[in-house]
Amino acid sequence: QITLKESGPTLVKPTQTLTLTCTFSGFSLSSSGVGVGWIRQPPGKALEWLALIYWNEDKRYSPSLKSRLTITKDTSKNQVVLTMTNMDPVDTATYYCTHKVGGTPGDCWGQGTLVTVSS
Amino acid sequence: QSALTQPASVSGSPGQSITISCTGTSSDVGGYNYVSWYQQHPGKAPKLVIYDVSKRPSGVSNRFSGSKSGNTASLTISGLQAEDEADFYCSSYTSSGNWVFGGGTKLTVL
Repeated sequence: QITLKESGPTLVKPTQTLTLTCTFSGFSLSSSGVGVGWIRQPPGKALEWLALIYWNEDKRYSPSLKSRLTITKDTSKNQVVLTMTNMDPVDTATYYCTHKVGGTPGDCWGQGTLVTVSS
Repeated sequence: QSALTQPASVSGSPGQSITISCTGTSSDVGGYNYVSWYQQHPGKAPKLVIYDVSKRPSGVSNRFSGSKSGNTASLTISGLQAEDEADFYCSSYTSSGNWVFGGGTKLTVL
């Protein structure tokens, strides 16, 4: 059974850097074709795809946020970390991590973590 | 990349069928058979209901079906049930190697 769980701060101040960790089980990020991604959803708004890291270290980023995002993995710890710099109140959202195989941005999702950006 | 275009809302009565459209471009929906659909109930994480345009994950009701024509994908739900009421999002792979979502559609079961 695949499970994913997001962790990190619930409140960050404007201009700070957000660091989120996705801890997963039930699969290996060293298996061919597997990826872990991040997707966010501002309150009452639509989903927004952010980033993805594949088993082979290939990384993909949202073009509009690429300059602010970094995604890394620690296969031995079954973790993927997303950092987002220069946080702004518009970045307030629930952040989800996903397991990805094949042609979807995520077939299994974590429960999500709400991050609020406020001074 | 721009978000895919979905209707803001659709509605139907129990037992009826509804269709939600998802319009993109030749650089995303029209260029790849990598369209997915997600169902999201309030306060819950999205759940995959259709992938690769028309495939259903194990455990998803066969009342959910997907299709694509040109740059527009569609999700059809037949035999509407009260439990189907939720927000639905489409997504597509893009020519940039990224993913893009639609703006979401609120399904109301009357």
